[in-house]
Amino acid sequence: DQQVKQNSPSLSVQEGRISILNCDYTNSMFDYFLWYKKYPAEGPTFLISISSIKDKNEDGRFTVFLNKSAKHLSLHIVPSQPGDSAVYFCAATQSGANSKLTFGKGITLSVRP
Amino acid sequence: KAGVTQTPRYLIKTRGQQVTLSCSPISGHRSVSWYQQTPGQGLQFLFEYFSETQRNKGNFPGRFSGRQFSNSRSEMNVSTLELGDSALYLCASSLGPRLIGELFFGEGSRLTVL
Repeated sequence: DQQVKQNSPSLSVQEGRISILNCDYTNSMFDYFLWYKKYPAEGPTFLISISSIKDKNEDGRFTVFLNKSAKHLSLHIVPSQPGDSAVYFCAATQSGANSKLTFGKGITLSVRP
Repeated sequence: KAGVTQTPRYLIKTRGQQVTLSCSPISGHRSVSWYQQTPGQGLQFLFEYFSETQRNKGNFPGRFSGRQFSNSRSEMNVSTLELGDSALYLCASSLGPRLIGELFFGEGSRLTVL
């Protein structure tokens, strides 16, 4: 049972345009959400997170939006750059005494120069 | 400050063998967790250790085990290897078991089972 779903396996955008990566979750107990970026032959690196008490968190070119009623979050990258080309994983957890993250399967983002 | 170090980076085993993977967390980090990454399933949680105690375990068979040492270094072991165990095994560390920020991942150990 996939509790975190990234239904689009890939996304291609033009440099300078907005990239929107979507993620849905089914477990209503999740209250903390994270995005990780992964380049080939490297481990995932943390990008941005959001707590369920917020509906938006921004860090430079990256913004994450959370819609709790729809159990949906999205990562916006503006403007997109070729160096953003990577696999993006959405992850969720229950904040508390564990570091168990439930990941989606990832979205491969390609930013065309 | 050195990152999370995983060894070996690549290894090839045959079915039925066993394998041990090692992870050295970032200095000062006491929590270590392990994830399996496969093309079809993404990243799946294996287990988490803090202060030499397993705090959480994912839905993997008992062939998958781990431990943590007093210096926070961790090992995971897979016995009686199956073809389906071929994957990238990622170790991540954090300051403590309470997730207040991000996990720091190593580059992974890529296991191929023939």
